[in-house]
Amino acid sequence: GAVVSQHPSRVICKSGTSVKIECRSLDFQATTMFWYRQFPKQSLMLMATSNEGSKATYEQGVEKDKFLINHASLTLSTLTVTSAHPEDSSFYICSARLPRGQETQYFGPGTRLLVL
Amino acid sequence: GQNIDQPTEMTATEGAIVQINCTYQTSGFNGLFWYQQHAGEAPTFLSYNVLDGLEEKGRFSSFLSRSKGYSYLLLKELQMKDSASYLCAAMDSNYQLIWGAGTKLIIKP
Repeated sequence: GAVVSQHPSRVICKSGTSVKIECRSLDFQATTMFWYRQFPKQSLMLMATSNEGSKATYEQGVEKDKFLINHASLTLSTLTVTSAHPEDSSFYICSARLPRGQETQYFGPGTRLLVL
Repeated sequence: GQNIDQPTEMTATEGAIVQINCTYQTSGFNGLFWYQQHAGEAPTFLSYNVLDGLEEKGRFSSFLSRSKGYSYLLLKELQMKDSASYLCAAMDSNYQLIWGAGTKLIIKP
């Protein structure tokens, strides 16, 4: 089956620093990847849709200048949390969708970010 | 290991009731999520259970038995728009979501 990896699985950083999270589709090409954020005991919240070779589409309320998304290849999307603050501490999960409009999304294992 | 099991596909009739089951095995447990996902769209949150019992929300209800590692999603008065995949996901002790593969629900007129 399709496998999506994320790196790092956990990261702790100081307030004001930037953190980059990588999402890779390991055995398929993903023209579309999704980035979600989830706070404890809350639902998964879609942050943005990342399309290979074009700008990401951000959900309402998500600051695109703060959460930089780059989808430079068909197997890699990156999310950079710039100038991170403690309120950015959360669980970030990506998913990737197979090409040709298949509906199944494959999710990565997630990245837990703790901003001190 | 950690595992989520739910049926791959179910078929039901418009106006009827359907129950989608989910069993889970996780290292620790911090709740069970159900998501609905329409074709080509991101999953949408349906319910969250962390205590035993039934949570009702309109036409949808979700049940949890922690001792049995079991949950179900109950959909009443089915509508054609309910045709979707339903994802079961359990949160383990590290607050990581363990996802099921999803149950594709087909609604027939």
